[in-house]
Amino acid sequence: AQTVTQSQPEMSVQEAETVTLSCTYDTSESDYYLFWYKQPPSRQMILVIRQEAYKQQNATENRFSVNFQKAAKSFSLKISDSQLGDAAMYFCAYRTDRGSTLGRLYFGRGTQLTVWP
Amino acid sequence: NAGVTQTPKFRVLKTGQSMTLLCAQDMNHEYMYWYRQDPGMGLRLIHYSVGEGTTAKGEVPDGYNVSRLKKQNFLLGLESAAPSQTSVYFCASRTHWDRRNTEAFFGQGTRLTVV
Repeated sequence: AQTVTQSQPEMSVQEAETVTLSCTYDTSESDYYLFWYKQPPSRQMILVIRQEAYKQQNATENRFSVNFQKAAKSFSLKISDSQLGDAAMYFCAYRTDRGSTLGRLYFGRGTQLTVWP
Repeated sequence: NAGVTQTPKFRVLKTGQSMTLLCAQDMNHEYMYWYRQDPGMGLRLIHYSVGEGTTAKGEVPDGYNVSRLKKQNFLLGLESAAPSQTSVYFCASRTHWDRRNTEAFFGQGTRLTVV
């Protein structure tokens, strides 16, 4: 069974500093996708960044980047130059299109990020 | 371009009452999903559908039923609401074409309280 683990229920960072959110996952598949979603108080689920397992290069999106370690099954999110608007709940998620899972997402329990001015 | 729309956004039910949550998408997506979000639990899959007229159970299906009579709509029903079903419900949809370049689109969520 696929599981996603976020070991940090809460994190905090000073504005303009860098913070890293951790995520590990368990799977027997070789072809899959990993995601970080941001959920601000508005509840909207916003896709921050995506990583395909077959790509060795780590994904980046402006101030957001990931450290994807396939052998270790680790997928951390780094937020550089943190801004007040980055404060939110962050969810790590996994998806594979193989087998009977039919492309559903498996979510971690989330990390609540606080950004201090 | 509306994307995924959930109706209603908020609802308070009494124990034993029934209700239906509506999810509508205008992107012609084949796959649709219902998740529930509880504090400290992340999002968990209730039911899903891979196309019109087909539905299947997710990991927490008990107490819920679903229907997908039209491709664009996915309904989640609570026949007899219980306090344990107090949660935030999310609908999501995705196309099954060009899988490597697709992502799930989420509705804005429905906050349901059962008293």
